[in-house]
Amino acid sequence: AQSVAQPEDQVNVAEGNPLTVKCTYSVSGNPYLFWYVQYPNRGLQFLLKYITGDNLVKGSYGFEAEFNKSQTSFHLKKPSALVSDSALYFCAVRDRGSGTYKYIFGTGTRLKVLA
Amino acid sequence: NAGVTQTPKFQVLKTGQSMTLQCAQDMNHEYMSWYRQDPGMGLRLIHYSVGAGITDQGEVPNGYNVSRSTTEDFPLRLLSAAPSQTSVYFCASSPRPQLAGVREQYFGPGTRLTVT
Repeated sequence: AQSVAQPEDQVNVAEGNPLTVKCTYSVSGNPYLFWYVQYPNRGLQFLLKYITGDNLVKGSYGFEAEFNKSQTSFHLKKPSALVSDSALYFCAVRDRGSGTYKYIFGTGTRLKVLA
Repeated sequence: NAGVTQTPKFQVLKTGQSMTLQCAQDMNHEYMSWYRQDPGMGLRLIHYSVGAGITDQGEVPNGYNVSRSTTEDFPLRLLSAAPSQTSVYFCASSPRPQLAGVREQYFGPGTRLTVT
């Protein structure tokens, strides 16, 4: 069965420090990979996606993610965290080979950036 | 563009009642989806559509119906509400990619549903 794991419910980081939010997946073949962010009482907003090519993907608000095929991971990173980055982050995958439009989301990781 | 809109924002139902959650998008997107968000479970796909007249089941379709008569609208119907359907519901849309690949989803603001 396809699945996405975000092993940390919450990540705390000091403002100005680098941050990493982890995501691993179990999908047959080569999936499309996404990161979304959710601010309180809002819908999800797209941050970045991996389709093919360079394993380091750059996205919105200074975020980037590294695709690692051997470890089936797609960790979200930012070199210098801001208090305004505090939010709920979701990793998502979609199987590119199945021809369906089904996305699988992780359970989310709450990022708290401390001033 | 208003993007993806959902109504109502909040709703309280009694067990056994039925209702329709509305979703509309003004971006001419072919793909639309309904998700429910529950604590500790992330987002789970209920139903999706790849175009007007075409719908399919997601991960948790039981108790919900959808139809897609126009590109813009994708209502979600709860046939007989149960307390287990208490959740936050999100509608999302995305365009069909012009070349190989995938486009991101655009999410609505959500509907918070409580079933007592």
